[in-house]
Amino acid sequence: GQNIDQPTEMTATEGAIVQINCTYQTSGFNGLFWYQQHAGEAPTFLSYNVLDGLEEKGRFSSFLSRSKGYSYLLLKELQMKDSASYLCAVKDSNYQLIWGAGTKLIIKP
Amino acid sequence: GAVVSQHPSRVICKSGTSVKIECRSLDFQATTMFWYRQFPKQSLMLMATSNEGSKATYEQGVEKDKFLINHASLTLSTLTVTSAHPEDSSFYICSARNLMGGDTDTQYFGPGTRLTVL
Repeated sequence: GQNIDQPTEMTATEGAIVQINCTYQTSGFNGLFWYQQHAGEAPTFLSYNVLDGLEEKGRFSSFLSRSKGYSYLLLKELQMKDSASYLCAVKDSNYQLIWGAGTKLIIKP
Repeated sequence: GAVVSQHPSRVICKSGTSVKIECRSLDFQATTMFWYRQFPKQSLMLMATSNEGSKATYEQGVEKDKFLINHASLTLSTLTVTSAHPEDSSFYICSARNLMGGDTDTQYFGPGTRLTVL
C-alpha cells in the first residue's frame, strides 16, 4: 500500500529552527509537495521537490532524497504565525496526490 | 495568481436536505478540480476528481449518487451533497490544478466549506 509518515506534533520556540520530516512509500514518484494549513482553513502551497536536493524559499526550505523516500521541511526564524499543520503529499505514478496526516507545529514564545 | 474561491464558507442544514458547494478558479482555467473532505485532526481525503466536460472520477467508497459533481466550465465545479445526514458533517475543500503554472502541477485550494448537518 501507499504510505506517508510524518510526526503528529512538534513544538519549537519562536526565533528557532525546526525540521519536519516526511518519509514515503508510494507506487512511483512524480514529485513531493509541502502545504501549510492553519486550523479551520484550507491548505496553502509551500514548496515542490521533484529532484534530489534542497529548495530554498525565504525562511522555508525543503529537501528531497528519492533513494531514501525522504523529505524534510526546514523552517527558520520561527514566528508565532508559523503555528499550523504542515502536510506532506507525494504524487504517485498515476499522478495522484497521496497525503500525509500532517504535522501540527506549536510555536512557543 | 492561482486564486480559488469556494462558496459558501459555512452551511448548516437539516438532515435530509441537499447542499450545493461551488468552487471557482478566479484567475486561471482549471481543466481539473478536486474535491476533498477533512474530519477534525485528520488528513485530507480525496473524494473525487472533476474534469471539465466529463464525468467525475470518484474514489473508492465515495457514493457518486450522494455526492454529485458537475464541472460545466473551466472555472466552475460544484459538489452537491444530497440527502445530507449528520455523518456528512465535515470540512469540504476543493482544489484546482493550474496547468499554466509550469510543470509543478500544483493544486491550489479554495478556503473550504464547513458543513454541519443537524
